[in-house]
Amino acid sequence: QITLKESGPTLVKPTQTLTLTCTFSGFSLSTSGVGVGWIRQPPGKALEWLALIYWDDDKRYSPSLKSRLTITKDTSKNQVVLTMTNMDPVDTATYYCAHKVYYFDYWGQGTLVTVSS
Amino acid sequence: QSALTQPRSVSGSPGQSVTISCTGTSSDVGGYNYVSWYQQHPGKAPKLMIYDVSKRPSGVPDRFSGSKSGNTASLTISGLQAEDEADYYCCSYAGSYTSWVFGGGTKLTVL
Repeated sequence: QITLKESGPTLVKPTQTLTLTCTFSGFSLSTSGVGVGWIRQPPGKALEWLALIYWDDDKRYSPSLKSRLTITKDTSKNQVVLTMTNMDPVDTATYYCAHKVYYFDYWGQGTLVTVSS
Repeated sequence: QSALTQPRSVSGSPGQSVTISCTGTSSDVGGYNYVSWYQQHPGKAPKLMIYDVSKRPSGVPDRFSGSKSGNTASLTISGLQAEDEADYYCCSYAGSYTSWVFGGGTKLTVL
């Protein structure tokens, strides 16, 4: 059974750096073809893909946010970490991590991050 | 503004069929057969309903079907049921640089 869970701060101040952790079970990020992605959703708005890391450490980023994002993995801990720098109120959103082989087929419950001073 | 264009809302009565469109470009929807659809109920995580344009994951009712023509993909839900009321998002692969793009979402109301 594949499960994922996001964790991190619920409130960050403008200009701060956000660090989110995705802890998963039921699969290994050392298995060929497997990836974990991050997707966010501002309140009442659409989903937005942010970043993706594959089993072989290949990393992909949304072109519009690439300069602010870093995704890493710790295979031994079954964790993927996303950092986003220079947070702004418009970055207020629910952040999801998701398992991907060909598609985002298993999602975490999401974590709401509010950016406010 | 989302990369893929969906109608903001659609509606239908129980038992009817509805179709949700997802329009992109030749760089995403039209260029790859990697379109997926997600259902999202309020306060819940998205659920994969369709992948590879028209394939259904195990457990998804066959009332849900997908298709694609040119730069537009479509999700059709037949025999509408009350529990189908949700937001629906399309998603497409968009090449190695952009990778993945989502649509703006469509709210389905079952009347």
